[in-house]
Amino acid sequence: EPEVTQTPSHQVTQMGQEVILRCVPISNHLYFYWYRQILGQKVEFLVSFYNNEISEKSEIFDDQFSVERPDGSNFTLKIRSTKLEDSAMYFCASMRKKSYGYTFGSGTRLTVV
Amino acid sequence: RKEVEQDPGPFNVPEGATVAFNCTYSNSASQSFFWYRQDCRKEPKLLMSVYSSGNEDGRFTAQLNRASQYISLLIRDSKLSDSATYLCVVNMNRDDKIIFGKGTRLHILP
Repeated sequence: EPEVTQTPSHQVTQMGQEVILRCVPISNHLYFYWYRQILGQKVEFLVSFYNNEISEKSEIFDDQFSVERPDGSNFTLKIRSTKLEDSAMYFCASMRKKSYGYTFGSGTRLTVV
Repeated sequence: RKEVEQDPGPFNVPEGATVAFNCTYSNSASQSFFWYRQDCRKEPKLLMSVYSSGNEDGRFTAQLNRASQYISLLIRDSKLSDSATYLCVVNMNRDDKIIFGKGTRLHILP
């Protein structure tokens, strides 16, 4: 069964540092997403990406966040200057068509110290 | 009213019993609905999409009531492996915004 792959599985970074979280969506999927889940809290939508541009973003996705699909297979989330409150599980997801449901990667646990 | 609302539980249910979850959503323009399950510290996994006519997959039945703006999930003959958090997910296709409920925790007791 096709999978969404995320790397690294766990990243520890110092406050103020930049991090890049990487995702390889399923190859024939067209819609890509980043979500985050702070421990014990709900899954929160960050951003959706379609046709090489952001289609929707949440209030959480401020200027310190950016996404890229640099080479047609990878989909990255960059956090420019990490804060303690950015510590969370970050999930990438992709979808072939709307209403088909999203396939999630296994997540990157980001710990900001 | 919250965008997507679920009873957080936990629901403690004996093995073999039937359990039902409800989820309400605030935006009447919402167009796609899903149930996901999430095991502790794992990613959400699609359990089933929810169609207007209702749909069934083995022991699981999902229903949508657009008039009252809620969806439901019924699990029959529950198994120990059904223990998880069940997430209600609502998508407004028009603007690609996807909202998760906080999830309902289910514990199946032996």
